[in-house]
Amino acid sequence: AQSVTQLGSHVSVSEGALVLLRCNYSSSVPPYLFWYVQYPNQGLQLLLKYTTGATLVKGINGFEAEFKKSETSFHLTKPSAHMSDAAEYFCAVSEGGSQGNLIFGKGTKLSVKP
Amino acid sequence: DTAVSQTPKYLVTQMGNDKSIKCEQNLGHDTMYWYKQDSKKFLKIMFSYNNKELIINETVPNRFSPKSPDKAHLNLHINSLELGDSAVYFCASSQSPAYEQYFGPGTRLTVT
Repeated sequence: AQSVTQLGSHVSVSEGALVLLRCNYSSSVPPYLFWYVQYPNQGLQLLLKYTTGATLVKGINGFEAEFKKSETSFHLTKPSAHMSDAAEYFCAVSEGGSQGNLIFGKGTKLSVKP
Repeated sequence: DTAVSQTPKYLVTQMGNDKSIKCEQNLGHDTMYWYKQDSKKFLKIMFSYNNKELIINETVPNRFSPKSPDKAHLNLHINSLELGDSAVYFCASSQSPAYEQYFGPGTRLTVT
């Protein structure tokens, strides 16, 4: 069975600094991987996804993530944080195919200091 | 057009009451879900329907009953509401279970 671990329930960065949110997964088959963002009092919005192909994927709002099979990781990065990036971020994994289901991590709250 | 919509957005009710939350998606997806998000932001899947058939039924009290009248709608009915049911409930849909899910705006349920 697959699982997701997000390291750090709370990450704080200064505006303009690098954002790095960590996600490690466990899956017995090649995974599909996702990052979602949740702004206060809103639903989850898809940031980016990896299914097959290029291991570096770019998403909305300047975010990107790299699938590293050897490290079973899918960390989310953004070169320069904006105040508007403050939100809760969720990593998710599925095993693909018709029977796979998304498993969500516990989330990481990103705070951005001025 | 809103892809996944839920009504109501806020629901305040007393213990013991019965309430329903409605969800509709206009994405043409085959699979729909209900999640519960607690105060710590933890997302727990409750139910999943694929082509109107129940495919996930996690360990939730049987006071919770989903109903899917058609592929575009998945409603959640809750009987005998308890204080612990207070949470935000999200509906979501996807093309198939393994693919990305699209979430509704959530329904904040407060039981007093």
